[in-house]
Amino acid sequence: ELKVEQNPLFLSMQEGKNYTIYCNYSTTSDRLYWYRQDPGKSLESLFVLLSNGAVKQEGRLMASLDTKARLSTLHITAAVHDLSATYFCAVHNDMRFGAGTRLTVKP
Amino acid sequence: DTAVSQTPKYLVTQMGNDKSIKCEQNLGHDTMYWYKQDSKKFLKIMFSYNNKELIINETVPNRFSPKSPDKAHLNLHINSLELGDSAVYFCASSDGQETPSYEQYFGPGTRLTVT
Repeated sequence: ELKVEQNPLFLSMQEGKNYTIYCNYSTTSDRLYWYRQDPGKSLESLFVLLSNGAVKQEGRLMASLDTKARLSTLHITAAVHDLSATYFCAVHNDMRFGAGTRLTVKP
Repeated sequence: DTAVSQTPKYLVTQMGNDKSIKCEQNLGHDTMYWYKQDSKKFLKIMFSYNNKELIINETVPNRFSPKSPDKAHLNLHINSLELGDSAVYFCASSDGQETPSYEQYFGPGTRLTVT
């Protein structure tokens, strides 16, 4: 059974700091997705990673995919309060989601 | 213009009742999905459906059934509701034919509370 593990599950950061969220998955997949969810809201697509070595950046967020290592990362640069949310990765096979990383950015 | 819409937004009902949640997408996508998000925010896919194939997550009780009157709609019917069905249900859609990414667009969610 495909397993998708995110870590950390909870992350409290100071504004201006950098950090990385990790998403490991247990079986081969060539597509991985990152989503953002604000409290009480729906999911917003952030990145779609389609191949090994894919790297995508949007503002202070950068996502990468290493299909050989079965690992994706979401890197946060110079965090700001507006980035506070829960971030999910999801693997295309079975569309299985990680448990989510609840990010809080403090002033 | 809302891309993926769901009704109702909130649904409170008693155990044993039968209820439906409606989903519509105006993106022209050919695949639609239903997800359940539990109280711990864990997301699980329940169904994916296009005009050719229904894929059911084997862990979903057969009290749950998707019904698609046309390509733009995928409704979720739930029979004999149980307390454990309380959750937020999200509908989503994607287009896997025009773009290979299968990027999904989510609806606003329906919060179901079973008492």
